[in-house]
Amino acid sequence: AQSVTQLGSHVSVSEGALVLLRCNYSSSVPPYLFWYVQYPNQGLQLLLKYTSAATLVKGINGFEAEFKKSETSFHLTKPSAHMSDAAEYFCAVSRSGNTGKLIFGQGTTLQVKP
Amino acid sequence: GAVVSQHPSWVICKSGTSVKIECRSLDFQATTMFWYRQFPKQSLMLMATSNEGSKATYEQGVEKDKFLINHASLTLSTLTVTSAHPEDSSFYICSAGTSGTDTQYFGPGTRLTVL
Repeated sequence: AQSVTQLGSHVSVSEGALVLLRCNYSSSVPPYLFWYVQYPNQGLQLLLKYTSAATLVKGINGFEAEFKKSETSFHLTKPSAHMSDAAEYFCAVSRSGNTGKLIFGQGTTLQVKP
Repeated sequence: GAVVSQHPSWVICKSGTSVKIECRSLDFQATTMFWYRQFPKQSLMLMATSNEGSKATYEQGVEKDKFLINHASLTLSTLTVTSAHPEDSSFYICSAGTSGTDTQYFGPGTRLTVL
């Protein structure tokens, strides 16, 4: 079985500050891990993914995440927040390979204050 | 990049009627499509997985006779909500992927409101 826990349903940062969104996973098999962003009334856009290659993954819009097996974590970071980063962020896990079904975390709302 | 569209983007219907939502992969062939529903301020819950030419696989608790899924071609899957009720009001999102790859591409979603 697989599951994802996102710590903090709401994160607020100032523009220019570090963004840290936490994600811990549980998986009985080697996982694939994903971060998606959702803007209001829109679908999901892939930010980045870990698929058993490099543990530090760089994505779009300056985001990156590090896979830490010992901590079962895949936290999302960005050095400097921008107002346009305000959105809902979802961490997801799937079984490796073959477009496996995604299990999503509860989501974290990122608020960016001017 | 891979683009997935959904139609309609929003729909309002009366209780008891049926509504069909289309999901299309515009620039790639999707061997697998997924249907999710999302309630306000909540996460996405997988409803079913459909493979082209096969019957959909429904998640536990999802009524297959109420949520009819057809994946007749490699670029089109449809979700029909039959005899809709107000509790079916939700945001329905599809995603599409290709066998052998690890990424799903999401559609923009369909907002269903049942009066």
